[in-house]
Amino acid sequence: SAVISQKPSRDICQRGTSLTIQCQVDSQVTMMFWYRQQPGQSLTLIATANQGSEATYESGFVIDKFPISRPNLTFSTLTVSNMSPEDSSIYLCSVGGDDEKLFFGSGTQLSVL
Amino acid sequence: GENVEQHPSTLSVQEGDSAVIKCTYSDSASNYFPWYKQELGKGPQLIIDIRSNVGEKKDQRIAVTLNKTAKHFSLHITETQPEDSAVYFCATYLGSYIPTFGRGTSLIVHP
Repeated sequence: SAVISQKPSRDICQRGTSLTIQCQVDSQVTMMFWYRQQPGQSLTLIATANQGSEATYESGFVIDKFPISRPNLTFSTLTVSNMSPEDSSIYLCSVGGDDEKLFFGSGTQLSVL
Repeated sequence: GENVEQHPSTLSVQEGDSAVIKCTYSDSASNYFPWYKQELGKGPQLIIDIRSNVGEKKDQRIAVTLNKTAKHFSLHITETQPEDSAVYFCATYLGSYIPTFGRGTSLIVHP
């Protein structure tokens, strides 16, 4: 399985500001995803990060709010823009391995005041 | 789309007991069923999975069973230990890398 490094691990931010989360994988991967996990809830897919093209967003998520970059096959960033307290969540990077297996980073715990 | 229901939402057991978590799904075309364990402050970790052509799979103290006719699959943990305490998520796949997750089960193992 791939080793996924995600940072920051946690942050406390003021409303109206933006935070960029980085995800680094130790090997080249085709499929890379960003998830949100609200407190005590399940995992919700934000978008698929596509290398060299715009990310594919799920219903309810838009590029202006969650811009994503994927400059190569080992790295991606997710920005949470113009934050409000409702954005307080855990944000998770994940990658697709062989046979549809998904592997997750350790997550970014975001609190917005 | 696919709908996955996971029960119970909380499960409390004594160390050494067995724990069973069940998920039901709606789409009979689902063909891959993984289970994830999420410890506090960490990302979910794949612990066991099963494909639709198999009825049961075991890995040491954990096992997964699949009943395709009834459209449900279960995670079985035997001889539970305090380090098994975590949130467990089931998921189903319809042939892509985008699963549908259950709502999670918080397992508490009391020493």
